[in-house]
Amino acid sequence: DAGVIQSPRHEVTEMGQEVTLRCKPISGHDYLFWYRQTMMRGLELLIYFNNNVPIDDSGMPEDRFSAKMPNASFSTLKIQPSEPRDSAVYFCASTIGGGQRSGYTFGSGTRLTVV
Amino acid sequence: AQSVTQPDIHITVSEGASLELRCNYSYGATPYLFWYVQSPGQGLQLLLKYFSGDTLVQGIKGFEAEFKRSQSSFNLRKPSVHWSDAAEYFCAVGGSGNTGKLIFGQGTTLQVKP
Repeated sequence: DAGVIQSPRHEVTEMGQEVTLRCKPISGHDYLFWYRQTMMRGLELLIYFNNNVPIDDSGMPEDRFSAKMPNASFSTLKIQPSEPRDSAVYFCASTIGGGQRSGYTFGSGTRLTVV
Repeated sequence: AQSVTQPDIHITVSEGASLELRCNYSYGATPYLFWYVQSPGQGLQLLLKYFSGDTLVQGIKGFEAEFKRSQSSFNLRKPSVHWSDAAEYFCAVGGSGNTGKLIFGQGTTLQVKP
């Protein structure tokens, strides 16, 4: 299995532009999580899905952030418009049957820089 | 509410020395506990996990962790550290009361001196 695949690995964009981050979870995993990592705030859970349905989006910082999971093999995290404070590494993770017993498998992350 | 505390933000050890990274959790029932490692520029990799049974669990790369319910701790240990162990380490807790969500600590950065 190729693991959790995220694209792009790096993204540099100008303030005000729309940014779309992509994630392909491991086949058969029914949970998908989006995290943001910064030096100041550490790992923050933004949103997670179960069977393609958003379960908890309380970590999404504001309306500029949105996430979708149109099918079991693809999810996007969109920021519109982007701001410099959105600069961070964004991780996608997936698991099967909930992460309590098996833990998550993380992607390699997307490093976003907003200038 | 669930929470995880890693008291040490940064630890430096000499290569070949033993290592212990501390993790304390807060959870009302039996927790599921995890340790992850993150090398620079990489995602998080699962080192080991505990959810029942023997309180001393073995993981990859020669790491082990011990669950101590009385102390609400799940400390990570390694008898002899290698330079390649330099990374950031995260403790996480999950439980049957929530649907799949893990709570992560703030992480401990390990530096290894030659």
